Amino acid sequence: QKEVEQNSGPLSVPEGAIASLNCTYSDRGSQSFFWYRQYSGKSPELIMFIYSNGDKEDGRFTAQLNKASQYVSLLIRDSQPSDSATYLCAVIAPGTYKYIFGTGTRLKVLA
Amino acid sequence: GAVVSQHPSWVICKSGTSVKIECRSLDFQATTMFWYRQFPKQSLMLMATSNEGSKATYEQGVEKDKFLINHASLTLSTLTVTSAHPEDSSFYICSASKGTTNTEAFFGQGTRLTVV
Repeated sequence: QKEVEQNSGPLSVPEGAIASLNCTYSDRGSQSFFWYRQYSGKSPELIMFIYSNGDKEDGRFTAQLNKASQYVSLLIRDSQPSDSATYLCAVIAPGTYKYIFGTGTRLKVLA
Repeated sequence: GAVVSQHPSWVICKSGTSVKIECRSLDFQATTMFWYRQFPKQSLMLMATSNEGSKATYEQGVEKDKFLINHASLTLSTLTVTSAHPEDSSFYICSASKGTTNTEAFFGQGTRLTVV
């Protein structure tokens, strides 16, 4: 079992819709969770981080964490074509500073 | 957010030569820096963790003699790909952490290495 799993996609949504990206992780001791966006040929950029169960909102983005289910998600409201990218879920390995990345989900927002 | 600068952004080298990539934290002191490699359509794979003033910790399967990492100061880490071969062609990305637990990592722009 991979440590951080994501559906590779592509996930296609129409412009203005809500995009829902999901991620599961295997280490129950994980405490820190991150969502990064990566455009083709570019380095990842941080969108959000979440440490506590529940929802965390920042503009059009909402991260949701459910530690009991070992599940973290990212919702993008009012999706725009510029949101089209690969979204990487990352988890810090417990007791370290190491980031473990999922394979990423490719999102396509259709104009 | 913090700024991490990586240089060069792309490099082409001949097989058998060495290439050095620099990673600098511009506005903070990075106790820990990480080096990743990313092949097309794959995720970031951690190669090594670099701590200032000490030897880097390499992930399993990464040759420490081939990928030399130096973290001489709190703002600079370098990765040298020695005796590069075409299979080393990849996107190399560094990230830096301020060193406290549960903190976000800031990524450099990445270096596209092509070995011909």
